[in-house]
Amino acid sequence: LAKTTQPISMDSYEGQEVNITCSHNNIATNDYITWYQQFPSQGPRFIIQGYKTKVTNEVASLFIPADRKSSTLSLPRVSLSDTAVYYCLVGLYYGGSQGNLIFGKGTKLSVKP
Amino acid sequence: DTAVSQTPKYLVTQMGNDKSIKCEQNLGHDTMYWYKQDSKKFLKIMFSYNNKELIINETVPNRFSPKSPDKAHLNLHINSLELGDSAVYFCASSQYPGGEQFFGPGTRLTVL
Repeated sequence: LAKTTQPISMDSYEGQEVNITCSHNNIATNDYITWYQQFPSQGPRFIIQGYKTKVTNEVASLFIPADRKSSTLSLPRVSLSDTAVYYCLVGLYYGGSQGNLIFGKGTKLSVKP
Repeated sequence: DTAVSQTPKYLVTQMGNDKSIKCEQNLGHDTMYWYKQDSKKFLKIMFSYNNKELIINETVPNRFSPKSPDKAHLNLHINSLELGDSAVYFCASSQYPGGEQFFGPGTRLTVL
């Protein structure tokens, strides 16, 4: 099973780019990498998902090196409202009758003015 | 319209009791999940159903039993509640296994 490791916390200032890295040394061939954001007293919310190389959407970018043993979530120009816990999730994407979904322990991002 | 809803939002009960948490999604998704988030905010998957079939069954005490009457519902029944069961339980759904998950608001369970 892929085990994920993330930094416990990170600090940043408004307007900066934030990069959060997740290590997943035992990622399986069929596993995709997904990142979620969670605010206090709410359920996690999907940010981005990828398999390899780079994926970009309107809120973030996801960089995955060729060996796929890590991934980096990049948040451009963060604001105070980006203060939250960010989780890395590794697991099955398509098909498969038996899945495994492993969440990281989360990175608490604090954005300061 | 709430995409994924859970009831109740708060549940306070005594040790030894049996309780259920209900989850419903109106997204037309095939896959649903139950997660437990403890006081340290670790998010652990418990169960997952795809088209009403159990596909993920993590190491969870037998006191926990999921039930999926149809694709839109996944309920969680807990027997003989223990203090360590106190946590926030999240339900989620996705179009297919491992796809983008939509989470419910959570049910905060407190066992006294």
